[in-house]
Amino acid sequence: DAGVTQSPTHLIKTRGQQVTLRCSPKSGHDTVSWYQQALGQGPQFIFQYYEEEERQRGNFPDRFSGHQFPNYSSELNVNALLLGDSALYLCASSRGGGTTEAFFGQGTRLTVV
Amino acid sequence: GESVGLHLPTLSVQEGDNSIINCAYSNSASDYFIWYKQESGKGPQFIIDIRSNMDKRQGQRVTVLLNKTVKHLSLQIAATQPGDSAVYFCAEKGGSNYKLTFGKGTLLTVNP
Repeated sequence: DAGVTQSPTHLIKTRGQQVTLRCSPKSGHDTVSWYQQALGQGPQFIFQYYEEEERQRGNFPDRFSGHQFPNYSSELNVNALLLGDSALYLCASSRGGGTTEAFFGQGTRLTVV
Repeated sequence: GESVGLHLPTLSVQEGDNSIINCAYSNSASDYFIWYKQESGKGPQFIIDIRSNMDKRQGQRVTVLLNKTVKHLSLQIAATQPGDSAVYFCAEKGGSNYKLTFGKGTLLTVNP
C-alpha cells in the first residue's frame, strides 16, 4: 500500500516564477492538507481540500492556491515566488474529512533563487 | 490564540534509556493530539495519537500521556535506540479546526 507521494522531491525556481507541486494521498484517504515547513520550524498549515473544495485556509496569501481532483489527488500552486517561499512543502492525507490521523508525504524541497 | 509549544528544544539520552518529550498547548478546545517523528530530509512520520477523552495511550515502545488540567502532553519512548534520533513534534487539532497546529519540535539525540 503506497503511502502519501509527492512530486517533485526537489525544485529550484527563480523569484517571480510560478510553481506547481503534486500530491497523491494514501489509498483510502479523501482529504488532503498542505503545509509549509521552514528550516528549523514546525509545519505551518496552508489549506485543506475535501470533496474537491478548499475547506479551511491558514494565514497564507492568495499567491498560494490549490486544487483537488476527483481521484483525491491534489496540487499546490504558488505564484510570483518570493525568496521567503523557500521551504519544505508537505502534503498530508487523512480519511473522513480530516477527522482521523494524518499521514505525511516526504515533501517537496522548494528553493527560490 | 492557539499555540503548541515544547519545553525542551533538545534532548540527549544514552541508548537503552527511556526518553520523555514534553509539549504544552494552550487551546482548551483541542480534542485530538498527535506525535510525529521527523528525520532529516523526510516528512513527519505518525507515531501515536490520543483523543481528549483519554489520558494515556500505549503503542510499541511509546506511550502518550495527556493532562488536560494543565494542558500538557508527553511522549515516552522506552529503551531508546539510535534509530529514534530525530526531531519530534506534537500537533493538536480541535474545535472547528481541521488543521493541525505544530510546535517547533524537540531534537532527540541517542548516544550509543
